[in-house]
Amino acid sequence: EVVLTQSPVILSLSPGERATLSCRASQSVTSSYLAWYQQKPGQAPRLLIYSASRRATGIPDRFSGSGSGTEYTLTISRLEPEDFAVYYCQQYGDFLFTFGPGTKVDI
Amino acid sequence: QVQLQESGPGLVKPSETLSLTCTVSGASISLYYWSWIRQAPGKGLEWIGYIYKSGDTKYNPSLKSRVTISADTSKSQFSLKLRSVTAADTAVYFCAREGIAAAGNFDSWGQGILATVSS
Repeated sequence: EVVLTQSPVILSLSPGERATLSCRASQSVTSSYLAWYQQKPGQAPRLLIYSASRRATGIPDRFSGSGSGTEYTLTISRLEPEDFAVYYCQQYGDFLFTFGPGTKVDI
Repeated sequence: QVQLQESGPGLVKPSETLSLTCTVSGASISLYYWSWIRQAPGKGLEWIGYIYKSGDTKYNPSLKSRVTISADTSKSQFSLKLRSVTAADTAVYFCAREGIAAAGNFDSWGQGILATVSS
């Protein structure tokens, strides 16, 4: 099973700042199967990025994803007030989906 | 636009079976992969399993011995049964569709339903 680790656990920033979130896999992940989600309290996760770098429908271009192998990054270029939330990475391989523990982007 | 809605009892007794249903509108459940995912209070996300073409299933090995996912195409619903539940199964349960732009992600989610295991 691929284990995903996210860092930092909490990222304290201000609106307008740049956020860089890291996702590290215990073994190489096919980049086609690496995704990022945003979750706000009381809501379902929302798909932001799939295939490591492709923005999902309706996602603003301030969100971008990059990476390959075991290291992936989600970048929010300029934080808007509505971006303060928890972000999860997720991978698929060997008929198993796994999620990282999440990074909370906090004010 | 696809919509998913979970339903089922919010309270289940220990050792009993948790049964939830996801009703899908705006898409055929005979197409795509349909999953159940759960989130314990204050915790991360755990994939439970999926059903594809109303019959093919795959489960998380950690839950495989207790889980069954099935589908009823006539009602546009798929269901989750989790047997022999304990307090550790208390969670918000989401149903979700695997992405159609690319595989390996979830592009549509239900709002989630809290299932509490307690006597």
